[in-house]
Amino acid sequence: GENVEQHPSTLSVQEGDSAVIKCTYSDSASNYFPWYKQELGKRPQLIIDIRSNVGEKKDQRIAVTLNKTAKHFSLHITETQPEDSAVYFCAALVYNNNDMRFGAGTRLTVKP
Amino acid sequence: NAGVMQNPRHLVRRRGQEARLRCSPMKGHSHVYWYRQLPEEGLKFMVYLQKENIIDESGMPKERFSAEFPKEGPSILRIQQVVRGDSAAYFCASSPLNSDSPLHFGNGTRLTVT
Repeated sequence: GENVEQHPSTLSVQEGDSAVIKCTYSDSASNYFPWYKQELGKRPQLIIDIRSNVGEKKDQRIAVTLNKTAKHFSLHITETQPEDSAVYFCAALVYNNNDMRFGAGTRLTVKP
Repeated sequence: NAGVMQNPRHLVRRRGQEARLRCSPMKGHSHVYWYRQLPEEGLKFMVYLQKENIIDESGMPKERFSAEFPKEGPSILRIQQVVRGDSAAYFCASSPLNSDSPLHFGNGTRLTVT
């Protein structure tokens, strides 16, 4: 099955700086890559996703890039704010398999 | 349109008792996933089900744990003879049939074993 690795496990940045979280996947058939944000005590919520026919996607301060050849994808958050502090999870899914696997998570802390 | 509903929200069990966790997927979703999250850790895949069918249970311990998703009613994650190490948050998520759509998560059940 799919194996997703995520780095770093913790990340601390100053408010206004950028944050980058990286994930790699093992199954070259994976073609859908969502990112989830989980605030303390709450459920994971989708923040952005990318499909394998696209190399980059942006939504305001958040962007995701995908390198299919290298089998890695990254989350970029610019102009970070304290409310961005949370645990972020990447995931990968093989279409028609519907079996979604998550990375271990990155705890992002944005210091004011 | 109600989201993924999980109950109970909190569950306390003594060692040796049984825990039953329920999950009703979003309307129109036929796939259910169960994940376990230990404190300060990530989401660990347990099992993936369709109606009346277990697709992948490779993440679920072979003993004491079972899951079902009957034709009618919610999906149930059952833990028999609970031990302290079972204390965790258990999240259910659902997705539509055969679609590269995001998972929608429930609010989780926090199981505490005393």
